[in-house]
Amino acid sequence: GENVEQHPSTLSVQEGDSAVIKCTYSDSASNYFPWYKQELGKRPQLIIDIRSNVGEKKDQRIAVTLNKTAKHFSLHITETQPEDSAVYFCAAPSGIFGKGTTLSVSS
Amino acid sequence: GAGVSQSPSNKVTEKGKDVELRCDPISGHTALYWYRQSLGQGLEFLIYFQGNSAPDKSGLPSDRFSAERTGGSVSTLTIQRTQQEDSAVYLCASSSDWYEQYFGPGTRLTVT
Repeated sequence: GENVEQHPSTLSVQEGDSAVIKCTYSDSASNYFPWYKQELGKRPQLIIDIRSNVGEKKDQRIAVTLNKTAKHFSLHITETQPEDSAVYFCAAPSGIFGKGTTLSVSS
Repeated sequence: GAGVSQSPSNKVTEKGKDVELRCDPISGHTALYWYRQSLGQGLEFLIYFQGNSAPDKSGLPSDRFSAERTGGSVSTLTIQRTQQEDSAVYLCASSSDWYEQYFGPGTRLTVT
């Protein structure tokens, strides 16, 4: 079945720094690449996604890049703020999620 | 409009009892997923329903777990003979055509 690997598992940055989280998938037929954010005690929510016909998508301070040849996609957060502290998950269309990255932004 | 709802929000049961967890997806969403999330852990895929197709049950951890989706809408996850290791938050999500998943608030199951 589909395999989704996410790195790193934890990431600590200073406020204002950038953060990058990478996800590798196994199914070459995948065509949809989402990132979800889960704040403590809350449900996961989509923050950005990309379809396979584009290589990059931006939404204010967050962006997702896709490399279909290498079968990986990455989440980029610039100018991090304390409220960005959360667990971030990538996912495959099959419903398989990466194991999550705990991002801590210290002020 | 209304989002995904789940009931009950909390369930405490004794080891060995059966439990049923309910999920009401967003109207019109063809796909429905169940996940299990233990404290501080990731989202463990359990089962996936898509339209009238046979469900993908590949994530169910044992034959004590089963799920059904009636009329392409409401879904029930049943856990028989509950064990303490079944304690977790059970999340349901729905989506249209394999895209963004909308999650419910979850059911926190505690097996004593």
